[in-house]
Amino acid sequence: GDSVTQMEGPVTLSEEAFLTINCTYTATGYPSLFWYVQYPGEGLQLLLKATKADDKGSNKGFEATYRKETTSFHLEKGSVQVSDSAVYFCALSEEGGKLIFGQGTELSVKP
Amino acid sequence: DTGVSQDPRHKITKRGQNVTFRCDPISEHNRLYWYRQTLGQGPEFLTYFQNEAQLEKSRLLSDRFSAERPKGSFSTLEIQRTEQGDSAMYLCASSNRGIDEYGYTFGSGTRLTVV
Repeated sequence: GDSVTQMEGPVTLSEEAFLTINCTYTATGYPSLFWYVQYPGEGLQLLLKATKADDKGSNKGFEATYRKETTSFHLEKGSVQVSDSAVYFCALSEEGGKLIFGQGTELSVKP
Repeated sequence: DTGVSQDPRHKITKRGQNVTFRCDPISEHNRLYWYRQTLGQGPEFLTYFQNEAQLEKSRLLSDRFSAERPKGSFSTLEIQRTEQGDSAMYLCASSNRGIDEYGYTFGSGTRLTVV
């Protein structure tokens, strides 16, 4: 079946550092890809998405590009802030809108 | 639009008891999803509804689990004869048919602890 694999956390960075969180997927079709973020004590929020190959999703300084040739959707941000500390989930969509999530990557940004 | 509401936020129950959770989706959303999230893991799909019809159930949803969405609005998830392994965060989400464009809106979840 379809699956999503994320790099393990926790990831600890200093403020203003560059962030990459790796995400690769396995899918039989051509799913849409998503990044969700979960801030401490809050629900999951959609961060960005891409619906087809070579699409770039972006939001709040975060970016991810749908790479069909490497089956990847890595999340990047040029300069992280303390407020970016959260758990990040990569996900793909299946028929009916069901989402398959990765295990999550915890990011901790220190001042 | 008040978002997706889940009730209760927390539930502690003794093993063997039945529990029921409620989800109120965004009013114009016709799809409603239930997920389960255990500590350190991503959410796992349980079931989803389009309007009042339950269209898919995961193998994770054993016979002790049942979900309903009687009028195509709110939904309930019931767990009978709870087990310690049922302890998790139960998440509800809703969407319209444009999932690929807009993603889901998740509720804050119901945290179940079975003691």
